[in-house]
Amino acid sequence: AQSVTQLGSHVSVSEGALVLLRCNYSSSVPPYLFWYVQYPNQGLQLLLKYTSAATLVKGINGFEAEFKKSETSFHLTKPSAHMSDAAEYFCAVSGGAGGFKTIFGAGTRLFVKA
Amino acid sequence: DAGVTQSPTHLIKTRGQQVTLRCSPKSGHDTVSWYQQALGQGPQFIFQYYEEEERQRGNFPDRFSGHQFPNYSSELNVNALLLGDSALYLCASSLGSGGPQSETQYFGPGTRLLVL
Repeated sequence: AQSVTQLGSHVSVSEGALVLLRCNYSSSVPPYLFWYVQYPNQGLQLLLKYTSAATLVKGINGFEAEFKKSETSFHLTKPSAHMSDAAEYFCAVSGGAGGFKTIFGAGTRLFVKA
Repeated sequence: DAGVTQSPTHLIKTRGQQVTLRCSPKSGHDTVSWYQQALGQGPQFIFQYYEEEERQRGNFPDRFSGHQFPNYSSELNVNALLLGDSALYLCASSLGSGGPQSETQYFGPGTRLLVL
């Protein structure tokens, strides 16, 4: 069965510092991988997705993620954090044995300190 | 271009009651998925509708049912509400006729349900 593990329920960084949010997946076949962001009292917004093209995926707002099959990882990074990046981030997987459903991780809340 | 809309935004019900939540997909989208997001957790897949039929279902009891209309809008019905059904219910739309597993899902703002 497919699964997603996000390491760290909370991550705190200073403004201007590197953001690194970790995600590991489990899938029997090459999956489709996604990162979503959720601001308070809002729905989810897609940051980026991996669909078996380039392993380094660039998304919106300066975020990017690298698909590493050998490590079954899809970590999200941003070189310089901004106060507006404070939100909840979800890694998700779909495809393969999971069929049409998307499986989300538990989420990582990002705090940005001034 | 309107995105995904959901109604109502908030709802309070008591145990044992029934509730209906509504979703209008993004223009041009034909697939609707429903998710339950409990407080502090990631969204959990309830089911997906495509061409007015339930295409796939997650691990939710039969108390959860849905419908998709010819205009692709959708309803989620929950019967015999339990306290544990309190959550944010998210609707997502996408194009299902192509490669649905990789298609981008666009989420609505959600309906927050409180069961007392």
